[in-house]
Amino acid sequence: GQSLEQPSEVTAVEGAIVQINCTYQTSGFYGLSWYQQHDGGAPTFLSYNALDGLEETGRFSSFLSRSDSYGYLLLQELQMKDSASYFCAVSEDDKIIFGKGTRLHILP
Amino acid sequence: KAGVTQTPRYLIKTRGQQVTLSCSPISGHRSVSWYQQTPGQGLQFLFEYFSETQRNKGNFPGRFSGRQFSNSRSEMNVSTLELGDSALYLCASSSSGNLPNEKLFFGSGTQLSVL
Repeated sequence: GQSLEQPSEVTAVEGAIVQINCTYQTSGFYGLSWYQQHDGGAPTFLSYNALDGLEETGRFSSFLSRSDSYGYLLLQELQMKDSASYFCAVSEDDKIIFGKGTRLHILP
Repeated sequence: KAGVTQTPRYLIKTRGQQVTLSCSPISGHRSVSWYQQTPGQGLQFLFEYFSETQRNKGNFPGRFSGRQFSNSRSEMNVSTLELGDSALYLCASSSSGNLPNEKLFFGSGTQLSVL
């Protein structure tokens, strides 16, 4: 079957760096993506990794290791507006499967 | 370009009723996916449509169904509503054709409450 594991909650301090990990088990894997969702809002796309390595987009970076079925999202220079839920998601064939999400709390 | 539009935004129904939710994808997007979101359960995949054909379906009972029209607009229907069907139903569109979906654009969702 398919499964994605990520921590349910993470707490960090404003200005710091935080890493959200994701491990997955799927039958057909094409890539790992990350989405951000603020309370009451729709999920928005952050990044997509199809190949091993690190992808950087501004303050956010995403990493993938296909051999370890593992990836992470790295958020730098945390801001209060980064308080949200973050979902990892696996692309397989014609569907995208999401993890249960990590709630990021940021302390001032 | 307009984003993904879902209607209605909120819906209150009673057990046993049926409901139809609507989704208009971003212009030019032919793939539409539906997800159910409940607190603590993340986004659970319902089904995906491309060019009026259902390409994939999640592990939901047959009470959940959908369809896609020639203009790519999609509807999902839930019959014989149960209390546990209360959730946020999200629609997402993608420009991916025969390639695996890489990036989804979500609508604001329809919040369904079953009393």
